[in-house]
Amino acid sequence: DQQVKQNSPSLSVQEGRISILNCDYTNSMFDYFLWYKKYPAEGPTFLISISSIKDKNEDGRFTVFLNKSAKHLSLHIVPSQPGDSAVYFCAASAIGNTGNQFYFGTGTSLTVIP
Amino acid sequence: NAGVMQNPRHLVRRRGQEARLRCSPMKGHSHVYWYRQLPEEGLKFMVYLQKENIIDESGMPKERFSAEFPKEGPSILRIQQVVRGDSAAYFCATSGQNLYEQYFGPGTRLTVT
Repeated sequence: DQQVKQNSPSLSVQEGRISILNCDYTNSMFDYFLWYKKYPAEGPTFLISISSIKDKNEDGRFTVFLNKSAKHLSLHIVPSQPGDSAVYFCAASAIGNTGNQFYFGTGTSLTVIP
Repeated sequence: NAGVMQNPRHLVRRRGQEARLRCSPMKGHSHVYWYRQLPEEGLKFMVYLQKENIIDESGMPKERFSAEFPKEGPSILRIQQVVRGDSAAYFCATSGQNLYEQYFGPGTRLTVT
């Protein structure tokens, strides 16, 4: 049962243009959402997050948008750079009595073409 | 990833052997989460531990898998009698008081031959 879905396994974008990565979730109890970036042979690295009380969070070139009614979030990277080429995972969580496990999507592999 | 250590980075085991994966949290972190990434899939939660306690093991297979986080030393994920389907990348993540901030280690890639 995949509660967090990333339907695009890969995305190619020209350097300098905008990259938009999408993520959908099914559990309305999720209250915190994160994007992680992962290079081969490394662990995921935190990129940006958003609480369910917001609909937008911006950090430099990275902006995350949350649409709670559609259960959808997206990550915008602008301008895209070759160093952004990596696999991006969307994750969601809901802190409860048993901790805060993250539910991850299957990832989108972003390639930024110089 | 800085600070969360996992070893070994690569582990090869024959079917039927035992695999032991270690995770040393960042300094000051007492919460450990183990995740598994199968080929072509995302990371899947396995178990959440605090010092000397298993809090949530709902993602752990019922047999052959166990985890511990002793008072002293690293957290250990143990897989007994490994099978080919156990081949995957195993990541641990740790957090301090802020459970929203989980820092991942570099992972252990287990290959079962």
